[in-house]
Amino acid sequence: DVKVTQSSRYLVKRTGEKVFLECVQDMDHENMFWYRQDPGLGLRLIYFSYDVKMKEKGDIPEGYSVSREKKERFSLILESASTNQTSMYLCASSFWAGLDEQYFGPGTRLTVT
Amino acid sequence: KQEVTQIPAALSVPEGENLVLNCSFTDSAIYNLQWFRQDPGKGLTSLLLIQSSQREQTSGRLNASLDKSSGRSTLYIAASQPGDSATYLCAVKGWESKLTFGKGITLSVRP
Repeated sequence: DVKVTQSSRYLVKRTGEKVFLECVQDMDHENMFWYRQDPGLGLRLIYFSYDVKMKEKGDIPEGYSVSREKKERFSLILESASTNQTSMYLCASSFWAGLDEQYFGPGTRLTVT
Repeated sequence: KQEVTQIPAALSVPEGENLVLNCSFTDSAIYNLQWFRQDPGKGLTSLLLIQSSQREQTSGRLNASLDKSSGRSTLYIAASQPGDSATYLCAVKGWESKLTFGKGITLSVRP
């Protein structure tokens, strides 16, 4: 079975802190994705990556950056956390760009105070 | 820009009922459509994936259909159970490999 893990289930940070959210997949997937999910807004894509050291902006990249140094690991970085980044963050991966399904991690509930 | 709509936002049914969840999308140029289940506070679990060339997929009590030309998909749940209570999301994959999600239907199955 595909497994996507995220470093924390719950995280509380202060405004202005630098925050790292880690995601690891164990199926040698090329593609990895970061989403945030908010009530009434649904899931929105922040960044995605087709390969190591490659990244593409999603629909809401402002205030975020990403890093993919190894194929299995995709990190989301909040350079200076703000209260409007309080959200559920979901990581996903898929095998290749065309037909394969996306598999999701359990999510990280981030609260910025 | 692709838009995915799921109506209604919430649904409550008695146990044992067969039910249909609807999903519509505006751009028929899709690679596939995926149905997910999400329990409160948890991640998404993939239920069914339908490729653009397929009409339907089945898994146990679940059956998903796709009509690409009309921009519609349905998820049929047979003999619903309280354990089916969750939010069901559909998502379509376009040419950039990105998924566009609907906002989901929150299903409650009453014992």
